[in-house]
Amino acid sequence: EAGVAQSPRYKIIEKRQSVAFWCNPISGHATLYWYQQILGQGPKLLIQFQNNGVVDDSQLPKDRFSAERLKGVDSTLKIQPAKLEDSAVYLCASSLDTGTSKHNEQFFGPGTRLTVL
Amino acid sequence: AQSVTQLGSHVSVSEGALVLLRCNYSSSVPPYLFWYVQYPNQGLQLLLKYTTGATLVKGINGFEAEFKKSETSFHLTKPSAHMSDAAEYFCAVSKRPHFGNEKLTFGTGTRLTIIP
Repeated sequence: EAGVAQSPRYKIIEKRQSVAFWCNPISGHATLYWYQQILGQGPKLLIQFQNNGVVDDSQLPKDRFSAERLKGVDSTLKIQPAKLEDSAVYLCASSLDTGTSKHNEQFFGPGTRLTVL
Repeated sequence: AQSVTQLGSHVSVSEGALVLLRCNYSSSVPPYLFWYVQYPNQGLQLLLKYTTGATLVKGINGFEAEFKKSETSFHLTKPSAHMSDAAEYFCAVSKRPHFGNEKLTFGTGTRLTIIP
C-alpha cells in the first residue's frame, strides 16, 4: 500500500514570499493532519481535517497560514507571507476513521523541509 | 491540557547495552500513549502504543514500554542496542476517542546515538 506522499521535499524561499505544500494521504483515509516540526522540537499540530471539514485549527496562525482539502482527498498548506520563524519541517499524516472508540493510527509522510532566508 | 516531558535530549549508549528513554506525561483524563521513531529525512514511524489493557506493551524492533499510572511515566526500553537504532525518538499523548479528537501532543524528542 502506498504511504502518505508529500511534495516538494525541500523548499528555500526568502522572507515575505509565499509557499505551498502538497499532501496526498493514504487511499481511504478520511482524516488528514498537518504538523509543524521546528528544529529541536516535537511536531506541533497545525490543522486536522475530517474529509473536507476542519476538525481542529486552533494552533494554525491564520493571519499567514491557510490549508484546504477541497475534495476530501489531497490537501495543500500555504504560507503567505513567510517569516524566518516558519523555517521547519512540515509533516502530513493521515488516519482511517473507523467511527469507533478504537485508536486510529496516524501514518506520516516524509515531510517538506522549508528554509526561509 | 495534555503535555509530555522527555528527559534527556541526547542519549548515548554502547552497542549491546540497555536503551532507556524516559517519558513523563500530564493529562487530566486517561490518555493514550505512543512512541514514534524518526530516521534522518524521514517521517515518523509508530514504534508502539498503549491504549488499554496490559501496561507493558511491545513494539517493533525489540522495543517495549511500560505504562505506570502512579508515576505518570511511559519509558521506552530495549535490552540490547543495535547500530540501526540510532534515530530521534518522540513520546506522544492523545485523548481517548470518546474524550475528544485524537490530536497527538509530542515531546521534544530524544536523539539516540549508538557507540560502536
